[in-house]
Amino acid sequence: EIVMTQSPATLSVSPGERATLSCRASQSVSSNLAWYQQKPGQAPGLLIYGASTRATGIPARFSGSGSGTEFTLTISSLQSEDFAVYYCQQYNNWPPMYTFGQGTKLEIK
Amino acid sequence: EVQLVQSGAEVKKPGESLRISCKGSGYSFTSYWISWVRQMPGKGLEWMGRIDPSDSYTNYSPSFQGHVTISADKSISTAYLQWSSLKASDTAMYYCARPRYSTSTYWYFDLWGRGTLVTVSS
Repeated sequence: EIVMTQSPATLSVSPGERATLSCRASQSVSSNLAWYQQKPGQAPGLLIYGASTRATGIPARFSGSGSGTEFTLTISSLQSEDFAVYYCQQYNNWPPMYTFGQGTKLEIK
Repeated sequence: EVQLVQSGAEVKKPGESLRISCKGSGYSFTSYWISWVRQMPGKGLEWMGRIDPSDSYTNYSPSFQGHVTISADKSISTAYLQWSSLKASDTAMYYCARPRYSTSTYWYFDLWGRGTLVTVSS
């Protein structure tokens, strides 16, 4: 099983500042990495796929980078609606299963 | 509208059985695998398994194999997640999700249901 490790567990950032979230895979997943945002009481929503491609309707302040085992989600200028929990997910197909990171909670400083 | 509509919240006692559902609409239900994802209270997302509604072929996460059963009825565009004997530790929100592409390859999820909250308590 590929283990996904996110850091930090909680990130406190002020509105307007930049947030950088990390995700590490226990083995290479190439670029088969997605990021999801989950707000309280809601289902997760797709932000980024292919490690760096924004999903439809996602603002340009969200960007993803990385490949292999190290990935980053950057939010360039935090808006109030961005405070949420973020999950990374690998979909590398071998072994044939999905795994998620444990999540990073982005909170208002 | 393309959507996954999940059944309502359930409150059950330990040892009881349960089946929750996920109905797809607005797309060809048999063309896309459906996955189930668990979220325990205050915790992260865990992939449980998936089903191909066209033939009911399933893949399970090793962590959930043998503990739950995933099934589907393509005639009513509905996937199911069921337990034969619930435990308190099954208390969680359960989401169904659909991948972006209609192949057996594992793809990211671009469509999620709103979730079904299952509470197991004596």
